[in-house]
Amino acid sequence: DVKVTQSSRYLVKRTGEKVFLECVQDMDHENMFWYRQDPGLGLRLIYFSYDVKMKEKGDIPEGYSVSREKKERFSLILESASTNQTSMYLCASSRPGTGGSVEQYFGPGTRLTVT
Amino acid sequence: TQLLEQSPQFLSIQEGENLTVYCNSSSVFSSLQWYRQEPGEGPVLLVTVVTGGEVKKLKRLTFQFGDARKDSSLHITAAQPGDTGLYLCAGGNTGKLIFGQGTTLQVKP
Repeated sequence: DVKVTQSSRYLVKRTGEKVFLECVQDMDHENMFWYRQDPGLGLRLIYFSYDVKMKEKGDIPEGYSVSREKKERFSLILESASTNQTSMYLCASSRPGTGGSVEQYFGPGTRLTVT
Repeated sequence: TQLLEQSPQFLSIQEGENLTVYCNSSSVFSSLQWYRQEPGEGPVLLVTVVTGGEVKKLKRLTFQFGDARKDSSLHITAAQPGDTGLYLCAGGNTGKLIFGQGTTLQVKP
């Protein structure tokens, strides 16, 4: 089974702190993604990566950066946390599915609260 | 911008009832997926449909992809409390997914 793990389930940080969220997948997937999930808004893509050291902005990259130094690890960085970044953060990796589709596998999420 | 609209957003029903959740867009997708998410966990893939008009069944769940590949539906027959959760549709193009806002389903015993 594909396993995607995230470093913390719950995290509380203060405004202005630098925050690191780590994600590791064990299935040698090339593609990895970071989303945030807020009630009524579904999942919104922050950043994604198709390969080591490669990154692309998603729909809401402002205030975030990412790092992918190894294939299995994809980190999300909040340079200076703000209260509007309080959210559930989900990491995913993907593999090709049927008919050219992409099957994504998610970690359990990190619920971040910024006070 | 591609968008997926799910309806209804909330559904509370009694065990044994049937229900349908809809996922609509003005855009064409190469594939459409449904995920279920339980509290405190990440979404889990239920099914992928790729052909217009395709119907897939997973036990009591029936998934359909619209003929024009712009919409999809999820039908649950005789819902059980174990079906409770957040159901998300996601449309695929170019390796990324666009997610709907989700439908929260509560099935009461």
